[in-house]
Amino acid sequence: EADIYQTPRYLVIGTGKKITLECSQTMGHDKMYWYQQDPGMELHLIHYSYGVNSTEKGDLSSESTVSRIRTEHFPLTLESARPSHTSQYLCASSVYGGDYGYTFGSGTRLTVV
Amino acid sequence: GDSVTQMEGPVTLSEEAFLTINCTYTATGYPSLFWYVQYPGEGLQLLLKATKADDKGSNKGFEATYRKETTSFHLEKGSVQVSDSAVYFCARWGSGGSNYKLTFGKGTLLTVNP
Repeated sequence: EADIYQTPRYLVIGTGKKITLECSQTMGHDKMYWYQQDPGMELHLIHYSYGVNSTEKGDLSSESTVSRIRTEHFPLTLESARPSHTSQYLCASSVYGGDYGYTFGSGTRLTVV
Repeated sequence: GDSVTQMEGPVTLSEEAFLTINCTYTATGYPSLFWYVQYPGEGLQLLLKATKADDKGSNKGFEATYRKETTSFHLEKGSVQVSDSAVYFCARWGSGGSNYKLTFGKGTLLTVNP
């Protein structure tokens, strides 16, 4: 059973709307990440956090923003959705040290019409 | 910087065929190495990992050996099943300024036909 939860699983929304994609984990992991996955499958890191009140932009520029007020919660917000934001968004978390990799959520499939 | 190069797909096999998906990584440091699998409509799941040279990771009939001399971590399975159809990602743990992040390959789509 997944210990990292993303909601909603699917979202269809109109252009210009504000949306928040939720990501929560129950494992106490200090590090969390957001990836955007393009139709060609490639993963692009858009945001990451190494702990509460710490957020950084990833390798791919994104108009989205994130916050990390609680260890377990790492929401992603788009102030004004556009069709170019249509994508699969994946949230992940990890513990300190590289031996364990990431635990991923099931993803949110966002469609902006 | 850190990078991972994996075999481009798509790969199409018949059931019970032998599978190899090649993966090489940049040799910065001694990173932990991973294979993840993504089934349709899902997130990524850890398939196997190896944390030091010559380690062999294995799970569900899949194997990969950490080869430091060739900076490789190729994924193999002796007899694939239809249920193995998925996207497979090779990844390495970061080094230096990317110490707490995974670097992924571009993914390889595997389709297994009955």
